[in-house]
Amino acid sequence: EAGVTQFPSHSVIEKGQTVTLRCDPISGHDNLYWYRRVMGKEIKFLLHFVKESKQDESGMPNNRFLAERTGGTYSTLKVQPAELEDSGVYFCASAAERISYNEQFFGPGTRLTVL
Amino acid sequence: GQSLEQPSEVTAVEGAIVQINCTYQTSGFYGLSWYQQHDGGAPTFLSYNALDGLEETGRFSSFLSRSDSYGYLLLQELQMKDSASYFCAVTNQGGKLIFGQGTELSVKP
Repeated sequence: EAGVTQFPSHSVIEKGQTVTLRCDPISGHDNLYWYRRVMGKEIKFLLHFVKESKQDESGMPNNRFLAERTGGTYSTLKVQPAELEDSGVYFCASAAERISYNEQFFGPGTRLTVL
Repeated sequence: GQSLEQPSEVTAVEGAIVQINCTYQTSGFYGLSWYQQHDGGAPTFLSYNALDGLEETGRFSSFLSRSDSYGYLLLQELQMKDSASYFCAVTNQGGKLIFGQGTELSVKP
């Protein structure tokens, strides 16, 4: 069974540009989470999807970030326009049923650098 | 606010036992998880405690005391490949994880 995949693995963009990150969860996992790790800080929650619905987006930094999960499969996270402080590693994780959502399966992350 | 405290670095030798402590202060709590991360890659799940007590999985054990808002990860018979970052994380409502800053474990020969 394939794990969680993320694309791209690295992205370097200029301040003011737009970047879209993609996450493909494990097939059949209804729960999808986005996290971010800014250099030197802890991994921070951004938002949570259950199927195609946003369950919790309390961690989204501001309205420059837009996440979607059309059809309840893969998810995208768009940053528009990107700012310097958006640099970091963006992780996606998926989990199966509610009862076992204590274990989340993480992707390898997208390392975003905003210059 | 919500915070988890864990040591930033721990060093031990091969074959030894090491304990990584975690204290937490969060507005919601469903359980305490531990994740391992090698070289900044994908964090991988190690253990989860929802109730007080010790959970053992091979060389790794995890303990939780909800009354003390405290837990630890115990690694026995350390191997070089155990060198990694270890994160404690509180599971909050909806399953979202609130992470500590991570403990960098270095295992020396």
